Amino acid sequence: ETGVTQTPRHLVMGMTNKKSLKCEQHLGHNAMYWYKQSAKKPLELMFVYSLEERVENNSVPSRFSPECPNSSHLFLHLHTLQPEDSALYLCASSQGPGLSYEQYFGPGTRLTVT
Amino acid sequence: AQKITQTQPGMFVQEKEAVTLDCTYDTSDQSYGLFWYKQPSSGEMIFLIYQGSYDEQNATEGRYSLNFQKARKSANLVISASQLGDSAMYFCAMREGQGDSSYKLIFGSGTRLLVRP
Repeated sequence: ETGVTQTPRHLVMGMTNKKSLKCEQHLGHNAMYWYKQSAKKPLELMFVYSLEERVENNSVPSRFSPECPNSSHLFLHLHTLQPEDSALYLCASSQGPGLSYEQYFGPGTRLTVT
Repeated sequence: AQKITQTQPGMFVQEKEAVTLDCTYDTSDQSYGLFWYKQPSSGEMIFLIYQGSYDEQNATEGRYSLNFQKARKSANLVISASQLGDSAMYFCAMREGQGDSSYKLIFGSGTRLLVRP
């Protein structure tokens, strides 16, 4: 595997379910990110981890719970979601916080909440 | 206040021609970085090109170049010799250099480009 991988690629869940999204980066990066991309809205940064420590939490509802067990893996735990949470969830990683470090994105998980 | 503005929701270009995608930004920082990403229908965001605020020359990467006009706060993407595979959403993004916010990429709303054969 190379780059940034995400599983599952598609997920349909009911509002009472609990599920987790997984992200893995194979780039040796130190920072990882979760973004939400809803239809007709710009990408929204949700969480940032640097060296496994959360450094950014963008007023995200508590029904989204991130976990970063090591610098290569990032999870997003989901519970009691709402239909408006249906979106494409993108994971990204970067070498660090420096201005010139581009973020490399995974293919995303398309989430549908029914 | 919106920090990244992409005023073209959609654009068409004929194959093999050049196209310019507009991006304007707003920041009070002297130190910042500007990025362009491509998002095909598959969903993955693909990094295209980077321009630092202190870079004196416009960035180029293959068929992509960034027309950076600092005084106008614009960072337009120019794609030369368009190919059918260039059809995608294109996002302009900015990263500011102040402390913790240097982690944060702020994205525009995107421009959908369609290349006609």
